[in-house]
Amino acid sequence: DGGITQSPKYLFRKEGQNVTLSCEQNLNHDAMYWYRQDPGQGLRLIYYSQIVNDFQKGDIAEGYSVSREKKESFPLTVTSAQKNPTAFYLCASSPASGGLGDEQFFGPGTRLTVL
Amino acid sequence: AQSVTQLDSQVPVFEEAPVELRCNYSSSVSVYLFWYVQYPNQGLQLLLKYLSGSTLVKGINGFEAEFNKSQTSFHLRKPSVHISDTAEYFCAVYYTGKLIFGQGTTLQVKP
Repeated sequence: DGGITQSPKYLFRKEGQNVTLSCEQNLNHDAMYWYRQDPGQGLRLIYYSQIVNDFQKGDIAEGYSVSREKKESFPLTVTSAQKNPTAFYLCASSPASGGLGDEQFFGPGTRLTVL
Repeated sequence: AQSVTQLDSQVPVFEEAPVELRCNYSSSVSVYLFWYVQYPNQGLQLLLKYLSGSTLVKGINGFEAEFNKSQTSFHLRKPSVHISDTAEYFCAVYYTGKLIFGQGTTLQVKP
């Protein structure tokens, strides 16, 4: 089955540690996205990538980093510089970069808790 | 820049009653609009989208939405809700290669 996988579903880390969230898609989509979700704030864009080896900052990129070495993979690292990392993180992909009105397909999410 | 406002953070409704979830967007020359649903601790699933053509868009699970350009709105409706419709609903607008999401509306269907 085609889709987006995120692992793990739940993640616990100690304050001050970097942590990497995995996102893989087998939909052959060009574009991939990372969102952060907090209660009452909707989804906020962290980073996005429209093509391999290229990515752009979203609205809340500070304290996060990404890489896009392969078309199917877009891992997100939450660094110790992120002041409030506890949140639900969602990865998404869409068929073509810049495709007008392309819908985004979402993974199941990773809930990160920093203790 | 585009923005999306969902006017109600929570909407309680009894089972089998009709419901409307409201969404307004800031104006633009061309708009592409989406409604997504999120069940607890899951990702988002597309309900419906408006790209062009008929202003009344039908989606999955009996939902529909109407695009109103003069009022810059894209309200979501369902004539009769079920307990299983309890979820969070997000309106989004496409803008320069990205989706801009509203804050979400929690639909609470009571028996």
